[in-house]
Amino acid sequence: SQQGEEDPQALSIQEGENATMNCSYKTSINNLQWYRQNSGRGLVHLILIRSNEREKHSGRLRVTLDTSKKSSSLLITASRAADTASYFCATDFQGAQKLVFGQGTRLTINP
Amino acid sequence: DAGVIQSPRHEVTEMGQEVTLRCKPISGHNSLFWYRQTMMRGLELLIYFNNNVPIDDSGMPEDRFSAKMPNASFSTLKIQPSEPRDSAVYFCASFFGDFSEQFFGPGTRLTVL
Repeated sequence: SQQGEEDPQALSIQEGENATMNCSYKTSINNLQWYRQNSGRGLVHLILIRSNEREKHSGRLRVTLDTSKKSSSLLITASRAADTASYFCATDFQGAQKLVFGQGTRLTINP
Repeated sequence: DAGVIQSPRHEVTEMGQEVTLRCKPISGHNSLFWYRQTMMRGLELLIYFNNNVPIDDSGMPEDRFSAKMPNASFSTLKIQPSEPRDSAVYFCASFFGDFSEQFFGPGTRLTVL
């Protein structure tokens, strides 16, 4: 079964609005990562947050991590059409180097 | 750096044929991963290598799938014989260190007729 699960599965907003995506996972982790995938392309790493961190920022991205709830959120502020993509969270699995990806949130930014 | 390189980018083959996908990781990276992505099952890890040694192949669907990493700069994923249900996008990714970001290749879109 999936370690990480994103919510919602799909999100459609107007350009300029903020987009929030959530991720839940099942077991303890060392870190959680968010990736973006544009249609027909490979995944691109956005941000990594470690288990001892609660919040991290990178440009218009803000990630939070709540290990007590086993959940994370990705906030994209002031969205742009170029942010249209699928977003995946990924967690390490039982301390191993491998990552387990969720099913992703498909984000559409309408001009 | 050119990033992770995969070839071919597209492959169309007939059921029963052998398929070989290739990957060149980023120079200096010591871990390499093969993933498969489909609409139904999402992104699945098939196998990963660390320092050219297979560490976890529990995601390889069946014996028809095999992967090798003869050296630090090259890996192959082979499917023999291929079946229509193998149709998917196959990604290779690499990274350096213990827990860090993975760098993905552009993928190979495989269609088995």
